Amino acid sequence: EIVLTQSPDTLSLSPGERATLSCRASQSVSYRYLAWYQQKPGQAPRLLIFGASIRADGIPDRFSGSGSETDFTLTINRLEPEDFAVYYCHQYGSSPRTFGQGTKLE
Amino acid sequence: QAQLVESGGGLVKPGGSLRLSCATSGFTFIDHYMTWIRQAPGKGLEWISHISSSGSSTFYADSVKGRLTISRDNTENSLFLQMNSLRAEDTAVYYCARLRGWLIDLWGQGTQVTVSS
Repeated sequence: EIVLTQSPDTLSLSPGERATLSCRASQSVSYRYLAWYQQKPGQAPRLLIFGASIRADGIPDRFSGSGSETDFTLTINRLEPEDFAVYYCHQYGSSPRTFGQGTKLE
Repeated sequence: QAQLVESGGGLVKPGGSLRLSCATSGFTFIDHYMTWIRQAPGKGLEWISHISSSGSSTFYADSVKGRLTISRDNTENSLFLQMNSLRAEDTAVYYCARLRGWLIDLWGQGTQVTVSS
């Protein structure tokens, strides 16, 4: 099983700043099948990035993903108030599919 | 617009059963594998089961194997999760989700399952 470890657990920033979230995998993620989801309280997760760096439909270009093998990063430029949420990384290249524990952006 | 709507959650005693449903609309259901994901209170996300587009192939996480059964009705565009022998540790929000390949590209709003005496 691929274990995904996200850091930091909590990131405290202000609107307008840049957020850098990390996701480290215990083994190489096949085909760069790494996704990022945003979850707000009481809501379902929303797909932001897939294939490590491809933005999903309707996602603003201030969100970007990068990385390969075991190290991945989600960058959010010019934070907007609606960006404060919990972010999860997820690998879907190997079974069982697994998630990181989440980073809370506050 | 594609949509997933879960129902069937609630409060159940340890050892009890529940059947979750997920009604889908706005897309061709039979084209997609489907999955159930759960999120325990204050915890992260856990992929617990998935089913192929025809329903002939299924997967279960070790934590639920033998107690939960996933199924689908392609004539009704619906996904189900039969939950038996429930335990306190099954308490969670259960999400129905659509797969594109192995990528979860659409989530339902979730249904709460609470296992408590």
